[in-house]
Amino acid sequence: DAKTTQPPSMDCAEGRAANLPCNHSTISGNEYVYWYRQIHSQGPQYIIHGLKNNETNEMASLIITEDRKSSTLILPHATLRDTAVYYCIVRGQGSGGSNYKLTFGKGTLLTVNP
Amino acid sequence: DVKVTQSSRYLVKRTGEKVFLECVQDMDHENMFWYRQDPGLGLRLIYFSYDVKMKEKGDIPEGYSVSREKKERFSLILESASTNQTSMYLCASSLFTGGPRDTQYFGPGTRLTVL
Repeated sequence: DAKTTQPPSMDCAEGRAANLPCNHSTISGNEYVYWYRQIHSQGPQYIIHGLKNNETNEMASLIITEDRKSSTLILPHATLRDTAVYYCIVRGQGSGGSNYKLTFGKGTLLTVNP
Repeated sequence: DVKVTQSSRYLVKRTGEKVFLECVQDMDHENMFWYRQDPGLGLRLIYFSYDVKMKEKGDIPEGYSVSREKKERFSLILESASTNQTSMYLCASSLFTGGPRDTQYFGPGTRLTVL
């Protein structure tokens, strides 16, 4: 799976949009971009994923650049409960058993301030 | 919505005890996973099951075993708990078998402390 790079931390004011960037310059054609988040001491929560088109669901929007080398997760109206570590993951077919396990990097700690 | 539940949020056990961690999912998913998460080490796969009674070792299976007698339930067993098994244990499930389109859904986690 391709490697991702995220800023270690970001701040956002409550009610404003939070834009979390992720670089994945070595992504290959069949690899998807996934986003998860983890609130302190809880299990990771799936947010959204996409291949090349922009995606939106009830939680967030995912914008993937045309060259697919980077993406942005957008939380349109951040709340205090969105404070969490956000993980960007690129997943593709691996050899043997490696194609099913998830590996999280360090992620971005998003702090939403009142 | 997918719901993955774990039997305990917090558990304290003594060295040498046998420990059972249970996970249940309600979405008829084929695949279930047990991970442990430790500061600085990230997420590490312990075992994976792709069908009832089927299992595969992950990256760190030593000291653990698993059981999947029913599709919705996946148990992690610590045969003889040791202090280095103090960790956050996370269960996950997914519909597809690997590949770029499977989405893993996690339970709330069990924080196990072995004294």
